[in-house]
Amino acid sequence: DIQMTQSPASLSASLGETVTIECRASEDIYNGLAWYQQKPGKSPQLLIYNANSLHTGVPSRFSGSGSGTQYSLKINSLQSEDVASYFCQQYYDYPFTFGSGTKLEIK
Amino acid sequence: QVQLQQSGAELVKPGSSVKISCKASGYTFTSYDMHWIKQQPGNGLEWIGWIYPGNGNTKYNQKFNGKATLTADKSSSTAYMQLSSLTSEDSAVYFCARGDGTPWFAYWGQGTLVTVSS
Repeated sequence: DIQMTQSPASLSASLGETVTIECRASEDIYNGLAWYQQKPGKSPQLLIYNANSLHTGVPSRFSGSGSGTQYSLKINSLQSEDVASYFCQQYYDYPFTFGSGTKLEIK
Repeated sequence: QVQLQQSGAELVKPGSSVKISCKASGYTFTSYDMHWIKQQPGNGLEWIGWIYPGNGNTKYNQKFNGKATLTADKSSSTAYMQLSSLTSEDSAVYFCARGDGTPWFAYWGQGTLVTVSS
């Protein structure tokens, strides 16, 4: 199975700041990566697919980048509604696997 | 619009089975894979498998072979997941989810909490 190592596990930042979350795959996943946001008690919501494509309706302050085994999610101009957990998912190979999550809080 | 409505929370005894449902609406049920994903409290997400309701084909994460069985009822546009020989490790929220013919998930059910306790 492809292991997805996500960092940091938690993150505290101020409103208006830019934050970056990383995911490292145990092998090349050829941009087969998605990012999700999950608010407490809710279902995950798709943010990014194919490593850098913004899902419909997602604010442009979210962006994804990376290649090979290293990928990142950047959130510009942090807003209060961005408080959530964030997960990466690789779908390059079965079984699909997820990162362990990053909990984002406002400082 | 696409909606996935899951069945309610379950409290079940160790060693028993449980069947949870995911009723789809707003699209042609038989045209898209339905995936199932497990989330234990405070933990990350685990992909269980998918079913293609059009022909009943399935694909499982080997870890869930023998634990999860995926089925679909075309007449009611409902996908099901049965979990068997339940232990405390099966206590989790289970989500159904769908892509647009894609392996990423744009649509999610609200989740079903399964609690295994005597």
